[in-house]
Amino acid sequence: AQSVTQLDSHVSVSEGTPVLLRCNYSSSYSPSLFWYVQHPNKGLQLLLKYTSAATLVKGINGFEAEFKKSETSFHLTKPSAHMSDAAEYFCVVSDSPQAGTALIFGKGTTLSVSS
Amino acid sequence: EAGVAQSPRYKIIEKRQSVAFWCNPISGHATLYWYQQILGQGPKLLIQFQNNGVVDDSQLPKDRFSAERLKGVDSTLKIQPAKLEDSAVYLCATSYNRGNTEAFFGQGTRLTVV
Repeated sequence: AQSVTQLDSHVSVSEGTPVLLRCNYSSSYSPSLFWYVQHPNKGLQLLLKYTSAATLVKGINGFEAEFKKSETSFHLTKPSAHMSDAAEYFCVVSDSPQAGTALIFGKGTTLSVSS
Repeated sequence: EAGVAQSPRYKIIEKRQSVAFWCNPISGHATLYWYQQILGQGPKLLIQFQNNGVVDDSQLPKDRFSAERLKGVDSTLKIQPAKLEDSAVYLCATSYNRGNTEAFFGQGTRLTVV
């Protein structure tokens, strides 16, 4: 069965500095991986997704993530944090796109950005 | 394109009462999910539909929770009777089909059981 572990429950950065949110996954098959963002009192929004194409995935708002099969990781990065990036981030795995298996969420990482 | 619509946005009930949540998916989306998100945790899958059939309900507490998807479009999730630990945000998400797992989420229903 698939699972996902977000290694940090809370990350704090200063505005303009790099962001790194870490995610490791476990999957029996070739997984699809996603990062979703949730701002307070708003719905979940897809940041980016990996579905067995290029291992470096670019998403919205300057975020990107790299799929590393040997490390079973899918870390999310951004070169320069903005105040508006403060939110909850979820790493998500799905085992089999063809089977349409459900999305399994990590516990989330809270990103705080200070000025 | 209209998003996933959920109602109500907020609900407060007493324990042992019943409650129902409604979800209207994006037009043409065959796959529909209900997730439960307890404060401070990631969303947990309750049930997955493909059109009007259930694909996975292994984590649905069937003694108190039920869900249906009428004609493969709208869906309702019901809790009867509610417990204090059911306090959470209930999220509906839909995707185009089983081969495309990108899901679009509604804003959720925040349930408080007192």
